[in-house]
Order: sequence, then C-alpha cells, then structure tokens
Amino acid sequence: DGGITQSPKYLFRKEGQNVTLSCEQNLNHDAMYWYRQDPGQGLRLIYYSQIVNDFQKGDIAEGYSVSREKKESFPLTVTSAQKNPTAFYLCASRGLAYPYNEQFFGPGTRLTVL
Amino acid sequence: SQQGEEDPQALSIQEGENATMNCSYKTSINNLQWYRQNSGRGLVHLILIRSNEREKHSGRLRVTLDTSKKSSSLLITASRAADTASYFCATDRDDKIIFGKGTRLHILP
Repeated sequence: DGGITQSPKYLFRKEGQNVTLSCEQNLNHDAMYWYRQDPGQGLRLIYYSQIVNDFQKGDIAEGYSVSREKKESFPLTVTSAQKNPTAFYLCASRGLAYPYNEQFFGPGTRLTVL
Repeated sequence: SQQGEEDPQALSIQEGENATMNCSYKTSINNLQWYRQNSGRGLVHLILIRSNEREKHSGRLRVTLDTSKKSSSLLITASRAADTASYFCATDRDDKIIFGKGTRLHILP
C-alpha cells in the first residue's frame, strides 16, 4: 500500500533531551513537510523540503532540525532548544508535477514532554 | 504566520442541513485546498481549487474561490453525523502550504 508512515504514534521525552520523529513515504513524492498542531489550533509549518539534500525553514523552525538524505525519508529532530515541544506533529508529502498538488498526511506523532 | 483564516471557528447544525465554512487569505495563491481532520488524526484531502477556477464540486462538497476578495467557501450539503470534524483551508504559494486555524463542525442528530 502506498502512503506515509510516522513513528512512533506516541512519544514521551524528558526536558533537555533531543528526540527524533520518523516520517517515511513510498509515494515517490518530491516534497515533504513537517507541521506542528497545538490543541484546537491549525497547523503551523516547521520545515519543508522539495528535493533531496535541500530543505527550507517554515514559520516556526526554531528549536527543530531536519535532514533529507533520501527521497522517501524526512526525519524531524526536536531539540532541547524548543521551549514548548508538547504538541501533535504531522508529516505530509506531495508530488510537484502538475496537476498533482494535494498533500498526503501521515497519522501523526503526539509528543509529550515530562 | 497564518495565511488562511476560517470562519466560523465552530459550527453546529442538525443532520441533513447544509454547512457552509469560509476562508479568507492575505496574499496571491497558486491554489487553495480544503482538508478534514477527525479528532486526533491526520488530515484528509477533500478538494483542490486552482487560482483560475471559480467553483468545484466533489460529491456533497462544493467549493468556490473568489480571488478578487481573497476568499473561498466550502459547502457540505445534506450533512451527516460522519461529517463531524475540523475543516481547514490551506493556501499554496511558492511551494509553501499554509493552513488556517480551522472550523470545528458538529452535526447534531
């Protein structure tokens, strides 16, 4: 089955620790995205990547880092510099060839800092 | 920054009624998309409308786009209990896709 997987579904972290969230897609999509969602809020863009070995900051990149070493993978690291990391994290991907512009989303990872 | 802003923030209607949600945005766009999110889940794509289109239909969904007013609307006809969810508009510009805060729709039995 084609799709986007995120792991783990739930993640607990102690303050001061870095943690990496996984995002994998087998849709052969060029672009991948990370969003953060707080309760009752919309999605805010953290980072996005349109091609391997290249990525751009979104609106709330501080305290986060990403890598794009493979087309199918776009892991997000939440560093200890992120002051309020407890949130729901969503990964998405899409092809860039016209007209296929819709994003496909993974099921999300809920991160809780203890 | 939030590009799109949905209105209303919350909406409760009786099953069978139509639901209308609006989205306003600030800058020019390539296209606008609507998504649905059930509680605690990922987002599901509903419909995409391009900047040169004015109206689009998909089943019980009807989306309009007015680029002169920088606004879009999503109409769900003959609502069902399963339509209870949050609905988001997302604007696509220069490969950045920016979401609004969403409308929480609740269908009453």
